[in-house]
Amino acid sequence: EDKVVQSPLSLVVHEGDTVTLNCSYEVTNFRSLLWYKQEKKAPTFLFMLTSSGIEKKSGRLSSILDKKELFSILNITATQTGDSAVYLCAVERGGGFKTIFGAGTRLFVKA
Amino acid sequence: DTGVSQNPRHKITKRGQNVTFRCDPISEHNRLYWYRQTLGQGPEFLTYFQNEAQLEKSRLLSDRFSAERPKGSFSTLEIQRTEQGDSAMYLCASSSDGHYGYTFGSGTRLTVV
Repeated sequence: EDKVVQSPLSLVVHEGDTVTLNCSYEVTNFRSLLWYKQEKKAPTFLFMLTSSGIEKKSGRLSSILDKKELFSILNITATQTGDSAVYLCAVERGGGFKTIFGAGTRLFVKA
Repeated sequence: DTGVSQNPRHKITKRGQNVTFRCDPISEHNRLYWYRQTLGQGPEFLTYFQNEAQLEKSRLLSDRFSAERPKGSFSTLEIQRTEQGDSAMYLCASSSDGHYGYTFGSGTRLTVV
């Protein structure tokens, strides 16, 4: 059965810390891996990764995919309180059908 | 275009009642998805439409659940004879061919009392 596993489930850090969130997956017909940020409402898109070893960056956030070892990491440097959220990892299957989500990592950044 | 729109935002219903939710996707998106999310969990896939055709349904979607997308534009999700276990956030998302990732709506939070 397809699955996406995220770790840790929750994390508490202080402002300025760097965090690494992990995502491993077992999904047939892999198409892409996506990271979303979810605050109070709907998930908002962060990154889409399709190729191994190519880092995607957006400000203080970066992510990389390893398709051989079937995992991805999301790094956040110099964390801010506004980074507090649930970070969801998801794998999109080919054919445009369902995307399988992990349970998320709940990040809390203390001022 | 203001993105994916879902109505209502909140719904409280008594057990046994029927409820219907609506989703209006981004206009040029031909794919529409319904997900359910409970506290502390990631979204769980319910069903997927490409245009008006419902191409996949999850095992989670019991006989009490039905979804339609009659003209390939908006979609409705109906839950009949609601149970307390149906309480969740129901998320709609849309995308288009050749694009990766979804755009999510703000969701409909259902509480069954």
